Amino acid sequence: EDQVTQSPEALRLQEGESSSLNCSYTVSGLRGLFWYRQDPGKGPEFLFTLYSAGEEKEKERLKATLTKKESFLHITAPKPEDSATYLCAVHNTDKLIFGTGTRLQVFP
Amino acid sequence: DAMVIQNPRYQVTQFGKPVTLSCSQTLNHNVMYWYQQKSSQAPKLLFHYYDKDFNNEADTPDNFQSRRPNTSFCFLDIRSPGLGDAAMYLCATSAERLITDTQYFGPGTRLTVL
Repeated sequence: EDQVTQSPEALRLQEGESSSLNCSYTVSGLRGLFWYRQDPGKGPEFLFTLYSAGEEKEKERLKATLTKKESFLHITAPKPEDSATYLCAVHNTDKLIFGTGTRLQVFP
Repeated sequence: DAMVIQNPRYQVTQFGKPVTLSCSQTLNHNVMYWYQQKSSQAPKLLFHYYDKDFNNEADTPDNFQSRRPNTSFCFLDIRSPGLGDAAMYLCATSAERLITDTQYFGPGTRLTVL
């Protein structure tokens, strides 16, 4: 069964303390891996799409990387406004399958 | 700005009383999706429309139905809401049904069932 697992479930960081979020997946035929940010009570906001192992994408303090088994979302020098739930999703041959997310809190 | 709009943002209904949630989009995308997301859980796909072609997920309860009268609008009807249907309902769109296409989400409708 296709599955997406994100870790840790929750992460507390001090402002400026860099870290990484993990998304591991098992899917029969990866067609794309997506990262979304979701603020409380809002819909997911698209961040990145990665299609092949070795691919990397960056946006401000965020950098996403992809291997054959997992993806990392690296957060460099986070700020309090980066606090949110980060969702990972993979597209198999049929649909988008989401993980349950990592809830990130960044304290000043 | 092109976007996905959901109304209302918050909906309260009574057990068993039909409710309709609305989604509209200005992206002119062909595909519209409805997801259900319960607290601290992953979004779960209920169904999607590719143009006028309706596609239901196998495990979506019969209590949930959808209508897409035109390209811009899509509705989620819950015929007889139960307490277990309380959740955030997310509408999303993508340009095509290509499996590499990005899905863009609306702000969601939080449904409360009393």
